[in-house]
Amino acid sequence: DARVTQTPRHKVTEMGQEVTMRCQPILGHNTVFWYRQTMMQGLELLAYFRNRAPLDDSGMPKDRFSAEMPDATLATLKIQPSEPRDSAVYFCASGLDLYGELFFGEGSRLTVL
Amino acid sequence: RKEVEQDPGPFNVPEGATVAFNCTYSNSASQSFFWYRQDCRKEPKLLMSVYSSGNEDGRFTAQLNRASQYISLLIRDSKLSDSATYLCVVSPYSSASKIIFGSGTRLSIRP
Repeated sequence: DARVTQTPRHKVTEMGQEVTMRCQPILGHNTVFWYRQTMMQGLELLAYFRNRAPLDDSGMPKDRFSAEMPDATLATLKIQPSEPRDSAVYFCASGLDLYGELFFGEGSRLTVL
Repeated sequence: RKEVEQDPGPFNVPEGATVAFNCTYSNSASQSFFWYRQDCRKEPKLLMSVYSSGNEDGRFTAQLNRASQYISLLIRDSKLSDSATYLCVVSPYSSASKIIFGSGTRLSIRP
């Protein structure tokens, strides 16, 4: 059963530390999305890729966040330095195109103390 | 104004009731529309797509009104297992646009 895999599932870290979250999209999918979810903001789109090329990362704080796809099987979201306000669940999702169904990973729950 | 707006709820209805949610979107050129379901502490999953002519899947009916720029979800004969957050999703009209999720409507079905 194909699914999006995210690691780590949970991460507790201290303010100022670097955090890297990883995502393995479903094989054959050519779009990858990073979302952040908090109780206050709901699901916010941070960045997305099509055929590994970044299409839009305007939702991401550029000074501390970076998103990359080093290859078709791996997407990364990095926060450096992390801040308490970054505490949230980060979801990765993949799809076959920009207009269809998205398949989400189980999320990475980040707590920054 | 948010690009996609939903009533956050919560909607608290008895089992067997019919409940409906609306979602409005601001971009008239949007192309595709979906309803996702998210259970507590889980990831969102596709519930159903929304077609221009309206579509039904069992107890669930989705409607699209392009003129008024809203989509709706109707749940008939609600079950306890329908308790979840329902997210409205609007997909772009071009690769330069974003897939936008609404903030979700919480539904709680009581026995």
